This record gives sequence, structure tokens and C-alpha cells, in this order.
Amino acid sequence: DIQMTQSPSSLPASVGDRVTISCRASQTISGYLNWYQQKPGKAPHLLIYAASSLQSGVPSRFSGSGSGTDFTLTISSLQPEDFATYYCQQSYITPLTFGGGTKVDIK
Amino acid sequence: EVQLVESGGGLVQPGGSLRLSCAASGFTFSRYWMTWVRQAPGKGLEWVANIKQDGSEKYYVDSVKGRFTISRDNAKNSMYLQMNSLRAEDTAVYYCASAVYAMVRGVIVNWFDPWGQGTLVTVSS
Repeated sequence: DIQMTQSPSSLPASVGDRVTISCRASQTISGYLNWYQQKPGKAPHLLIYAASSLQSGVPSRFSGSGSGTDFTLTISSLQPEDFATYYCQQSYITPLTFGGGTKVDIK
Repeated sequence: EVQLVESGGGLVQPGGSLRLSCAASGFTFSRYWMTWVRQAPGKGLEWVANIKQDGSEKYYVDSVKGRFTISRDNAKNSMYLQMNSLRAEDTAVYYCASAVYAMVRGVIVNWFDPWGQGTLVTVSS
């Protein structure tokens, strides 16, 4: 199975900060990498698909990059509504697997 | 409006069974792979199973193989998860989601969107 490792697991930040979350796959997954945002008590919400494509309706301050085994989610200027947990997910091969999550909370 | 609504969760004893349902509306259900993802209390997301548009292909995470069965009824715009021999470690919120496949930069990729609101399954005596 492909293991997805996110870092950091917790990220204290302030409004206006540039935030970067990393995701590493245990083997190459090309560009088969998605990012989701989840707020407490809510379902996950797609942000980025295919490593760098922004889902319709998602603010442009979110961006994704990477290929192979190393990927990054960047929030260019953190907004109050962005405090949440973020998950990466590989869609290269079953079993489809998620990273452990990165909780972005208030510094 | 595209919508997925799960139902059927509840409290069940270890070794028991439960059937979850996912009702779809606002899109052509029969054109999409569908999936179940679960989240144990305070934990991360875990993919459980997915099913092809016509039900001819099904895939499961190892921990539920032989115990869970995914199915769908395109005439009813619904997907199901039959869960047997339930264990305490199956306790989680179960989400259904549509699995979208599309060509991006010359490659067919896939992702989960949209998601339902989830239904809680608690396995406890």
C-alpha cells in the first residue's frame, strides 16, 4: 500500500500568513494527488485535484504543486475561514490512501 | 443542486450488521464511480470501498474485505454498504462521495467530489 505522510501535523498560524503543507508518498504517484479541507463536524471538501488543478469555486489563494513523491499545498494569505484540517489523498492505485492530516489553527 | 445524503447509521453490537444507504440527487448518478470513506472519532480519513458505474467492479480496503459489501441501484440513484461482523474498530462516521474521473494534462485522474454529510456508526456492547 502507498503510505501518505503529511507534515506538519499541526500548524499554528495567523491571518495573513503564507502557509505551506507538505505531503510525501512512499512511492511515486506521478500527479495523482488531491487535497481536501475539513472543518469540525463537516464533510471534507475538495480543494485541489491532480496535484495542481484548482477546483471550481475554490479561492485562488490555494495552490498545489509537486509530482512523483513530494507535493505541497500553499495558502498564500491565510483567511479566518481557512482554519481547518487539510488532507492529501493519492488516487494512483487502490487502496486509495489519505495523509494523516494537518490541522491549521490560530497561533 | 448536487447532493448526497447518507442514512442507516446507528449503534450496533460487536458481530452485528448494518446497512448504510447513500441517496444521490442533482446529477446523473449512473455515470459516476461512487465511494465510501470513513473517519473514526478524532482520527483521519480512510477509504473503504468504491464501485464502478454499472457495479461490475468493486474494490475494498483490506480491513473490510469479506465483511463489507458495496452495491448500487442506478434506478433508485442510490448506493449501499452492507456491513457484517462489525468490530469496535469500525466505529466511525461513514461518508459517501462521488468519484470523478477526468482527463487532465493528458492523463485520466480522479478525485472525490461531492461528499455527503456522513452517518455515524457506533459498534459497542
